[in-house]
Amino acid sequence: SAVISQKPSRDICQRGTSLTIQCQVDSQVTMMFWYRQQPGQSLTLIATANQGSEATYESGFVIDKFPISRPNLTFSTLTVSNMSPEDSSIYLCSVEGTGHGNTIYFGEGSWLTVV
Amino acid sequence: KQEVTQIPAALSVPEGENLVLNCSFTDSAIYNLQWFRQDPGKGLTSLLLIQSSQREQTSGRLNASLDKSSGRSTLYIAASQPGDSATYLCAVRPMDTGRRALTFGSGTRLQVQP
Repeated sequence: SAVISQKPSRDICQRGTSLTIQCQVDSQVTMMFWYRQQPGQSLTLIATANQGSEATYESGFVIDKFPISRPNLTFSTLTVSNMSPEDSSIYLCSVEGTGHGNTIYFGEGSWLTVV
Repeated sequence: KQEVTQIPAALSVPEGENLVLNCSFTDSAIYNLQWFRQDPGKGLTSLLLIQSSQREQTSGRLNASLDKSSGRSTLYIAASQPGDSATYLCAVRPMDTGRRALTFGSGTRLQVQP
């Protein structure tokens, strides 16, 4: 299994500011995934982050708005830039565990409210 | 493009009932399917993972089945308890080894009444 810690767990942000979310994993993993879950909605993939390379973004998500860092095999950050109320969501980090049939594990999420 | 649908969107049952949650997907070329539980405002907890070559997986009161050819999976919860109240999400991983991210359904919100 994999234990994932996300910070912050919750924050209230001012419109126009940026916030960086941290994701720490207790083991080395190749791929890390960042998802967004808007209120009442399911999860949407933002990007896939591999260590040592640029993140791969899904359609509708751009690096200028959601820059991602992946400095090593246990850590990643997602920044939500120039926030607007539409960015109010839960942001979730996930990884593929080793063994157990490649189970995907999630952090507790970072619940951002933009005012 | 893979699409995942979950029915029903919401379900309310009395404690002790057995229940079935449904998940369907449009592209049968999947690597595996995973069921998650999400409590309000929280992250996701993995419940069961079924590989594409498997038909079912069991964990305690939970049993998940997979019929890949018809694009369907079910999650069976036996003897439901109030603590089972949560949103249940199914997600599929594509066969494409270069793309490992999951595609999620919209979830079934379950309420078990004491």
